[in-house]
Amino acid sequence: NAGVTQTPKFQVLKTGQSMTLQCAQDMNHEYMSWYRQDPGMGLRLIHYSVGAGITDQGEVPNGYNVSRSTTEDFPLRLLSAAPSQTSVYFCASSYVGDRASYGYTFGSGTRLTVV
Amino acid sequence: DQQVKQNSPSLSVQEGRISILNCDYTNSMFDYFLWYKKYPAEGPTFLISISSIKDKNEDGRFTVFLNKSAKHLSLHIVPSQPGDSAVYFCAASASRSGGSNYKLTFGKGTLLTVNP
Repeated sequence: NAGVTQTPKFQVLKTGQSMTLQCAQDMNHEYMSWYRQDPGMGLRLIHYSVGAGITDQGEVPNGYNVSRSTTEDFPLRLLSAAPSQTSVYFCASSYVGDRASYGYTFGSGTRLTVV
Repeated sequence: DQQVKQNSPSLSVQEGRISILNCDYTNSMFDYFLWYKKYPAEGPTFLISISSIKDKNEDGRFTVFLNKSAKHLSLHIVPSQPGDSAVYFCAASASRSGGSNYKLTFGKGTLLTVNP
């Protein structure tokens, strides 16, 4: 009963480095997404996917890449880290088509610091 | 342009009293609204939702009210308990916006503190 698993929980990067934030879910959810949370800014959508092989941009996609090769995994790649990408990142997943139980399941977050 | 607004960054109430958290939205395409609760160092958890075809949805101590004409919704917690102390996010989605019906737009959150 793992739900949504995010790794790592904490990461410090130097400016210009690249890294991948991992997200995996075991609920067979079609929809997966990445949000970032910054102080005073709430949760902002970075990228999302409605199924394997299908991804699209959210509100703040610049500097991030995603791919969805399986239903379970939705990694977020930082191509060249910048201090502005210091944030807490949340992965979320849900079923599609069932609006009655339309809550996302969130992971516990990855706290990223870019120095 | 902020489409979902939670204008109160914080709210403090006494245990046993009612907590009322407010949320306003500007996008008339939004037709589904949700509330999430978030404790420190954890991910948000889904609390309650409401469709635009309703004006009220109740789940135990939590009730969400929707006023479509005013583009306003509120979350009532009665009675409030110290364990309710958390950040509450309002979120909205638009089912008719060409495939983006699973994208949630979140407000900035309201920190609720329930004092014993």
